[in-house]
Amino acid sequence: DAKTTQPPSMDCAEGRAANLPCNHSTISGNEYVYWYRQIHSQGPQYIIHGLKNNETNEMASLIITEDRKSSTLILPHATLRDTAVYYCIVFNSGGSNYKLTFGKGTLLTVNP
Amino acid sequence: DAGITQSPRHKVTETGTPVTLRCHQTENHRYMYWYRQDPGHGLRLIHYSYGVKDTDKGEVSDGYSVSRSKTEDFLLTLESATSSQTSVYFCAISEGQASGANVLTFGAGSRLTVL
Repeated sequence: DAKTTQPPSMDCAEGRAANLPCNHSTISGNEYVYWYRQIHSQGPQYIIHGLKNNETNEMASLIITEDRKSSTLILPHATLRDTAVYYCIVFNSGGSNYKLTFGKGTLLTVNP
Repeated sequence: DAGITQSPRHKVTETGTPVTLRCHQTENHRYMYWYRQDPGHGLRLIHYSYGVKDTDKGEVSDGYSVSRSKTEDFLLTLESATSSQTSVYFCAISEGQASGANVLTFGAGSRLTVL
């Protein structure tokens, strides 16, 4: 599975959009991009995933570049409760491989 | 959390003792995972299961064994606990999809302290 690169930390002002980048330059054509987040001491929570097209749900938007080598998770109006570690992972569960690995993620701090 | 429970939630034990953590799901999902989380290391995969009696190693499997005798339970065993296994352990489940998408649902975690 392709590895990802994320900045270790970011800050964002409350009410502003938070844009979290992720590089996955070795992604293959059938690998999905997933985003999870982990609020302090809780289990990680799924946010969104996509393959090629941009995706939006009630939590966030996912923008994937045309060459699929990078993506951005957008929290449109960040709140203090969005302070968490955000993980970007790429994964293809084709065949019998379901080994899903996480990196260290980005600590997003939303400031009042 | 979506039909997944971990037990015990907290445990303190001594070096050299055996420890078993249990992950129980009511979702009938095929895939189950055990991760550990330590400061500075993020989430690291220990073992995972892709069906009853079907398991495989993850990134940090040394010192751990797993068993899955039925769909709903995935057990993580430390045969002889060491202080380096002090950690927070998370279980996750996934239904898996042939299309390639695989969304994990995590449990609340089990905090293990080995003295």
